[in-house]
Amino acid sequence: QSVLTQPPSASGTPGQRVAISCSGSSSNIGRKPVNWYQHLPGTAPKLLIYRNNQRPSGVPDRFSGSKSGTSASLAISGLQSEDEVDYYCAAWDDSLNAWVFGGGTKLTVL
Amino acid sequence: QVQLVESGGGVVQPGGSLRVSCAASGFAFSGYAMHWVRQAPGKGLEWVASIRYDGSVTFYADSVKGRFTISRDNSKNTLFLQMSSLRAEDTALYHCAGENYDNSGYPLGYFDYWGQGTLVIVSS
Repeated sequence: QSVLTQPPSASGTPGQRVAISCSGSSSNIGRKPVNWYQHLPGTAPKLLIYRNNQRPSGVPDRFSGSKSGTSASLAISGLQSEDEVDYYCAAWDDSLNAWVFGGGTKLTVL
Repeated sequence: QVQLVESGGGVVQPGGSLRVSCAASGFAFSGYAMHWVRQAPGKGLEWVASIRYDGSVTFYADSVKGRFTISRDNSKNTLFLQMSSLRAEDTALYHCAGENYDNSGYPLGYFDYWGQGTLVIVSS
């Protein structure tokens, strides 16, 4: 069971907007920035969003992040077939002295 | 371009040992904190261990503490993970990842470089 909680799956049709939630606690999301990673199993994960809402260069502005209290959210607008991979939230946990990840959300583009 | 290439994975018996490596190129490896993150079959990403840019500080997940050792050789731009007393639940694809520092010497708090991983299978 992951310290950060994500829905195991999400879906949308091409062009739609979807949001993926990530719930934590006061020892992680509540006091630390949240990062989001995009991952096709068997390949190198990719940094998608850092420090809650910052996009690395090269990441389309269709991807956005937000945080409120002990929860964070990743939004993907203008859904494309290539977005059909897994998404993970992550944060440092001050109580565990460890990096913690969400369980991952598999996005399906219908 | 930036490359992180893991190697050394394989099949090992329960209770056995294995050392995996991560060769870095295309960035200032000696100035980066480095991490190991694994993904067991059908499971999500799990942080394993971290090491400061100079190797002076290390952190471990409780699940591997006392069994795994992270180290680095900055002269060879290489990161290592020595794994011992291996268990079936350590079976996973092991990725290395890099984290930069800001101008004040604080880690940036996110992993911007990742490798494709090396597969470790613990089985009799």
